Amino acid sequence: DVVMTQSPLSLPVTLGQPASISCRSTQSLVHSDGNTYLNWFQQRPGQSPRRLIYKVSNRDSGVPDRFSGSGSGTDFTLKISRVEAEDVGVYYCMLGTHWTFGQGTKVEVK
Amino acid sequence: EVQLVQSGAEVKKPGESLKISCKISGYRFTTYWIGWVRQMPGKGLEWMGIIYPGDSDARYSPSFQGQITMSADKSISTAYLQWSSLKASDTAMYYCARVDSPYYYGMDVWGQGTTVTVSS
Repeated sequence: DVVMTQSPLSLPVTLGQPASISCRSTQSLVHSDGNTYLNWFQQRPGQSPRRLIYKVSNRDSGVPDRFSGSGSGTDFTLKISRVEAEDVGVYYCMLGTHWTFGQGTKVEVK
Repeated sequence: EVQLVQSGAEVKKPGESLKISCKISGYRFTTYWIGWVRQMPGKGLEWMGIIYPGDSDARYSPSFQGQITMSADKSISTAYLQWSSLKASDTAMYYCARVDSPYYYGMDVWGQGTTVTVSS
């Protein structure tokens, strides 16, 4: 089974500063069709999850451009260029081909 | 506007049955998979399974196979998640979500969640 490991699990951030979350897998995530179906979700406190990024680096409609996804193979990253107060919450990576979520990374303001 | 509206909170006793619902609007119900996700108190997201309302093809996570049943009623654009015999460990928030196409993109629109509490 593929295991998705996020780090850090807790990320205290300063507003206006960048933040970065890593998601690593135990095996290559490249699908037989050549694509990598790594997705990122945000869950604000008390809210339903919301997809931010699909297929590694494609931002969903309405997602601010301060969010970006990158990576390849087994190593992926979600970056927030300048953290805003509304970004507080838990972020999950998810491998679409195996329907496997990472453990989640809690982003909070210092 | 695409909307998934879930049924209200439930409080049940161990051994009881339960069926929660997810009412879809804003798109053609039979053309997208619907997924169900569990979130236990204070924990992360767990994929339970997906169902294609067009033909009721259902795929279950191995962790939930045999424990739950997913179904869909095309006539009223509603998906369901049911248990025949609840356990205390089923206490959780349950989300339904529309699965994007192709479904490897994961869930692009989510319901508001249904809280299920199982306690004697």
